[in-house]
Amino acid sequence: GDSVTQMEGPVTLSEEAFLTINCTYTATGYPSLFWYVQYPGEGLQLLLKATKADDKGSNKGFEATYRKETTSFHLEKGSVQVSDSAVYFCALSGSGNQFYFGTGTSLTVIP
Amino acid sequence: EAGVAQSPRYKIIEKRQSVAFWCNPISGHATLYWYQQILGQGPKLLIQFQNNGVVDDSQLPKDRFSAERLKGVDSTLKIQPAKLEDSAVYLCASSQARGAQETQYFGPGTRLLVL
Repeated sequence: GDSVTQMEGPVTLSEEAFLTINCTYTATGYPSLFWYVQYPGEGLQLLLKATKADDKGSNKGFEATYRKETTSFHLEKGSVQVSDSAVYFCALSGSGNQFYFGTGTSLTVIP
Repeated sequence: EAGVAQSPRYKIIEKRQSVAFWCNPISGHATLYWYQQILGQGPKLLIQFQNNGVVDDSQLPKDRFSAERLKGVDSTLKIQPAKLEDSAVYLCASSQARGAQETQYFGPGTRLLVL
């Protein structure tokens, strides 16, 4: 069945460091891929998405490219800030219209 | 635009008691979802509605969980009787329609603790 495998955390970075959070997926057909973020005490918010191969989603300095050949959707940011501290979830929506979430990666950015 | 509303935000009950959660989706969103998020894990879909009909409830523990979406707007999720392992955050989400490209918008969740 469809599934998402996400890099385990927690991840701790210094401010202005480069961030990569790995996400790979297994799916039949052509899923859409998403990154959601959960800030402390808040609900899940959509960070970015890509709906077809080679699409790049971007928002707030974060980027992820839908790579069908490697079944990946890695999240990147060139320079993280303290305010980026949160839990990040990779998710896919497949042909069955069901969302599958990864287990989440906790990111802490220290000044 | 108002987001997805959920209540209560927190609930503490004893095992074998019953509990109900309420969700009001974004206006005009036809599809509504309930998720269970256990601490340290990603959300797991419990049930999906399209208008007031159930589309997918394959992962809903039907011996104790029930959900309804009367009139295709608000929804209620009930647990009866609750077990210790039901302690989790219950998330409601909505989307404009069904489809792999649809973005789901999440409410703040209801945190349930079963003692």
